[in-house]
Amino acid sequence: AQTVTQSQPEMSVQEAETVTLSCTYDTSESNYYLFWYKQPPSRQMILVIRQEAYKQQNATENRFSVNFQKAAKSFSLKISDSQLGDTAMYFCAFMKWNYGGSQGNLIFGKGTKLSVKP
Amino acid sequence: DTAVSQTPKYLVTQMGNDKSIKCEQNLGHDTMYWYKQDSKKFLKIMFSYNNKELIINETVPNRFSPKSPDKAHLNLHINSLELGDSAVYFCASSQGPGTSGGVRTGELFFGEGSRLTVL
Repeated sequence: AQTVTQSQPEMSVQEAETVTLSCTYDTSESNYYLFWYKQPPSRQMILVIRQEAYKQQNATENRFSVNFQKAAKSFSLKISDSQLGDTAMYFCAFMKWNYGGSQGNLIFGKGTKLSVKP
Repeated sequence: DTAVSQTPKYLVTQMGNDKSIKCEQNLGHDTMYWYKQDSKKFLKIMFSYNNKELIINETVPNRFSPKSPDKAHLNLHINSLELGDSAVYFCASSQGPGTSGGVRTGELFFGEGSRLTVL
């Protein structure tokens, strides 16, 4: 069974600074996706960034980037130039990937509550 | 247009009642899901349907019954509501396994959630 662990229940960062959220996972699968989802107070689940396990290059999306260490089963999220709108719960998630598509069962970590302070 | 929409957004009801939450997606996806987020914000899958066929059914009380009339809709009916059913229920959709076309990115698109409070 796959598990996802986020060891930081809460974090805070000053506006414009950089923060890194940690995530580790456990799996015996070799093909999978990893995701970071953001849940602001509005409750909406928003995809922040996605990484395919077979890709060695770390994914980036504007101010968001990941450090994917497959051997260490680590998938941290770096947020650069933090903005007040980044305040949210951040969830790391794992999805097994089968040839021909994914199985769709997102396994979530318990989340990290990030507060960006002015 | 909202990609994945759920109704109602908020639902307050008494123990023992039966209630339904509806979900519709206009993304053309063929796989839909129900996730439950508990009071500690932990998210866990409940059900998944691909082309109206149940493909994931986690350990959920049989008081919960999903129904998919077509691949754009997935409703959740809950019988004999209990206090512990209070949670936020999220519907989601994606391009599922077996899809012959489209981009399979693994990404799930979520609805806004339905907060159920059982008194």
